[in-house]
Amino acid sequence: AQSVTQPDIHITVSEGASLELRCNYSYGATPYLFWYVQSPGQGLQLLLKYFSGDTLVQGIKGFEAEFKRSQSSFNLRKPSVHWSDAAEYFCAGRPSQNFVFGPGTRLSVLP
Amino acid sequence: DTAVSQTPKYLVTQMGNDKSIKCEQNLGHDTMYWYKQDSKKFLKIMFSYNNKELIINETVPNRFSPKSPDKAHLNLHINSLELGDSAVYFCASTVGGELFFGEGSRLTVL
Repeated sequence: AQSVTQPDIHITVSEGASLELRCNYSYGATPYLFWYVQSPGQGLQLLLKYFSGDTLVQGIKGFEAEFKRSQSSFNLRKPSVHWSDAAEYFCAGRPSQNFVFGPGTRLSVLP
Repeated sequence: DTAVSQTPKYLVTQMGNDKSIKCEQNLGHDTMYWYKQDSKKFLKIMFSYNNKELIINETVPNRFSPKSPDKAHLNLHINSLELGDSAVYFCASTVGGELFFGEGSRLTVL
């Protein structure tokens, strides 16, 4: 089955610390991959996307993600987390006309 | 200008009632979607339309009926509402790249 998994349900980091959120996909076609962020009561905002080319992708708000085909992964990183980054993060893939979303990782940031 | 707009933002209603949610996008996109986000934040595709034609129809009760009068609009009508329909419903659109989301419509069924 085509799926996207995020192994971590909830992650807590201290402000200023580095962050890595994990994402794995399981479909065979050339993966279109995305990371979205959802703040409480808001819709989903695109952080970054990967279609092809350079496997290290830069996004908004200082986020980046690296596509690793050998590991079927597309992990999201940020070198220094800000309190305003506390939110729900969704990894998504597009194996066909449908977009498949992971279950989300809730990020909490300690002052 | 809001790219994908949904109305209403909040609905509170009784079981058995019928309700509609409207969605409009001003991005010129061809494809629109309805997603349901449950209390655990899980996002599930419900329907997708491309140029007014239904292209994705997931396993959704037939109490849910989407309608696309033109490619800029995708509405969702729900008959005989049940407690389990309580969720946030997101409209989204795309032209082949990423999805652009509306802010969601929170439906509470009492």
